[in-house]
Amino acid sequence: GAVVSQHPSWVICKSGTSVKIECRSLDFQATTMFWYRQFPKQSLMLMATSNEGSKATYEQGVEKDKFLINHASLTLSTLTVTSAHPEDSSFYICSASTLRYGYTFGSGTRLTVV
Amino acid sequence: SQQGEEDPQALSIQEGENATMNCSYKTSINNLQWYRQNSGRGLVHLILIRSNEREKHSGRLRVTLDTSKKSSSLLITASRAADTASYFCATARGGDQAGTALIFGKGTTLSVSS
Repeated sequence: GAVVSQHPSWVICKSGTSVKIECRSLDFQATTMFWYRQFPKQSLMLMATSNEGSKATYEQGVEKDKFLINHASLTLSTLTVTSAHPEDSSFYICSASTLRYGYTFGSGTRLTVV
Repeated sequence: SQQGEEDPQALSIQEGENATMNCSYKTSINNLQWYRQNSGRGLVHLILIRSNEREKHSGRLRVTLDTSKKSSSLLITASRAADTASYFCATARGGDQAGTALIFGKGTTLSVSS
């Protein structure tokens, strides 16, 4: 089946710094990748949809300049949280969708900004 | 935006009892999926039910779908402590096509005590 590898699993960074999260599709090509954010005890909220070779589409209320998404190849999508602040501390999960395998999720990244 | 609403938000039961979680959604769907998430971890796909199905079984799981009421239920029979997790329903926004994001309900947190 399809596997999405997400790294890092957890990261602690200082306020004001940037953090990059990577999601790689290991055995398939992901034309589209979805990025979600999940605060404690809450559900997954869709942040953006990234398409290979084009600009990401952000959900209402998500700052595109703060959450930079790059989908430069069919196997790699990255989310960069720029100038991170404590309120950005959250669980971030990526997901790819294929007709053959349905939806596949990364294992998530726990971001803590101190 | 949230597509589904689950109830109850939290459920505590004893091992061996059955757990029922409900989900309502707002728009027409081609299928509905249920996922499990252990605390701080990624998502595990449990079961998918298509819009032309009314009931589906998988091991100790039973899912029903009522498209006229736009609702679904997940029943876990003979629960175990290992079933302790959060459960989410999810539907594809805008149809069932690769490239369409899954939208998640608010989830039900299930605690099974031994």
